[in-house]
Amino acid sequence: NAGVTQTPKFRVLKTGQSMTLLCAQDMNHEYMYWYRQDPGMGLRLIHYSVGEGTTAKGEVPDGYNVSRLKKQNFLLGLESAAPSQTSVYFCASNNPGRSQETQYFGPGTRLLVL
Amino acid sequence: RKEVEQDPGPFNVPEGATVAFNCTYSNSASQSFFWYRQDCRKEPKLLMSVYSSGNEDGRFTAQLNRASQYISLLIRDSKLSDSATYLCVVKTGGSQGNLIFGKGTKLSVKP
Repeated sequence: NAGVTQTPKFRVLKTGQSMTLLCAQDMNHEYMYWYRQDPGMGLRLIHYSVGEGTTAKGEVPDGYNVSRLKKQNFLLGLESAAPSQTSVYFCASNNPGRSQETQYFGPGTRLLVL
Repeated sequence: RKEVEQDPGPFNVPEGATVAFNCTYSNSASQSFFWYRQDCRKEPKLLMSVYSSGNEDGRFTAQLNRASQYISLLIRDSKLSDSATYLCVVKTGGSQGNLIFGKGTKLSVKP
C-alpha cells in the first residue's frame, strides 16, 4: 500500500497561473481532505469530501476548487494563483466512525507563488 | 480565544529528561482528542488518541480533563528521535466533524 500520495511535490507558479494538485489514496477511504500549513498558523482545512461526487468547504476555501470524481482521488485546483497561496498543502483521508478517526496524511506539496 | 491553543516552545531538553506539553481547547462539545507528531518538512502522523481515563503508550502518556478543557502529553526518558513538533488536535461534532489543529509545540532533544 502506498497510502496517500500527492503530486507534484514542489511547484513554482507565477501570479495568475493555474494548477491542479492531485491526491490519491489506496486505502478505500470515504473521506478526503485538503489542508494548508503556513508558519505560525497550523493546519487549516480548505475543502473536504465525504464521498465520491461530494465536496464541502472548510475553514479557508476561497481561491480554491476541488473535485472528487473517483473515490481514490481528490483534486485541488487554483484557478488564479496569488502569493498568499504560497504554502505547504497536505491531503489526508480516513473513514467515518469513531474507531477509524485517524487521518492519514500525504507527504505534502510545497507551492511557491511569485 | 483560539479553538486549540498550545505553547509553541521550543522546548530544549537533554536526553533522558521528562517533558510535558499542554493544550487547551475552547469548544466544550469537542468529542475526540489526539496528539500528532510532525517531523521537519514531513506530514503529520498520529502519535496517540487521548481518552477520558488517560492512556499510556510506552514512554508517552496522554491525559484529558474535560472540565478544564485541557489535554496534556508527557514524554518520559526523552530520546534524540523524539525531536519534532507535537500537534494537539481536537475533533468537534459527529462522524463528519472536522479536526482542529493546534499550531504545535516544538521539541528539541539534545545529547
